[in-house]
Amino acid sequence: ILNVEQSPQSLHVQEGDSTNFTCSFPSSNFYALHWYRWETAKSPEALFVMTLNGDEKKKGRISATLNTKEGYSYLYIKGSQPEDSATYLCAFMGGGFKTIFGAGTRLFVKA
Amino acid sequence: DADVTQTPRNRITKTGKRIMLECSQTKGHDRMYWYRQDPGLGLRLIYYSFDVKDINKGEISDGYSVSRQAQAKFSLSLESAIPNQTALYFCATSDVAGVEFGTDTQYFGPGTRLTVL
Repeated sequence: ILNVEQSPQSLHVQEGDSTNFTCSFPSSNFYALHWYRWETAKSPEALFVMTLNGDEKKKGRISATLNTKEGYSYLYIKGSQPEDSATYLCAFMGGGFKTIFGAGTRLFVKA
Repeated sequence: DADVTQTPRNRITKTGKRIMLECSQTKGHDRMYWYRQDPGLGLRLIYYSFDVKDINKGEISDGYSVSRQAQAKFSLSLESAIPNQTALYFCATSDVAGVEFGTDTQYFGPGTRLTVL
C-alpha cells in the first residue's frame, strides 16, 4: 500500500509569519506530485503539479519544491495572510496513473 | 456555471436505504472519480472511470457501486446505506491529454454531505 504523509496535521500562525509544511511520498515509480488548496466549504483546487526532481513552482506568496529521490515536497507560504487559511493537500501520482492523496495540513492564520 | 456539479449537496438518510449521488461535468474530460473524505483522513478513492466503458475499484469500494452513463455523468450508489458511510463525497474529473499532459490534475465538484442515521 502506497503511503502519502503530510506534516504537520495542523498549524497555527500569525499574520505575516512565513511557514512551510511537508509531503512525503514513495520515491519509486514517481510520475507527478500535486498540491491542492482546500478552503472550508469549497472544493479542493489545484495549486501546483511537479514532475521533475528539483522542480520548483511559485504562485504569488506560495511556492513548492520537489525531491523525488528522497520522496518529499515542501510547500512554503511567505508572509501568511488570513485568506491563506485552508487545508493544503498533496497528491502523489505513481505507476498505474493512480493518484493518492495525503490527509492534508490544516493552516490557520490569525490576524 | 460550475464545470463539475454534484447532486444532492446534502442528504440525510436512514440505515438500509438506497442512495444515489450524481455527478455531471462540462469539462469534456474522460476521467472521473468518486472520493470520500472523513475527518483526519485524506481523500480516499472509491471508484474511478477512464472512459464510458471503464470502471475500476478504488481503495474503499466495498458497499458502493458506480455507473458511467455517458462521458459527462458518473453516479455513485450506496445499495444499503450504513452509518459509517456518513462522509463528505467528492466527484472529480481529469484530462490526461490536457495542458499538463499526463499529470492528471483533478477538478473537483462542490461535494455531497451524506449523513446515514
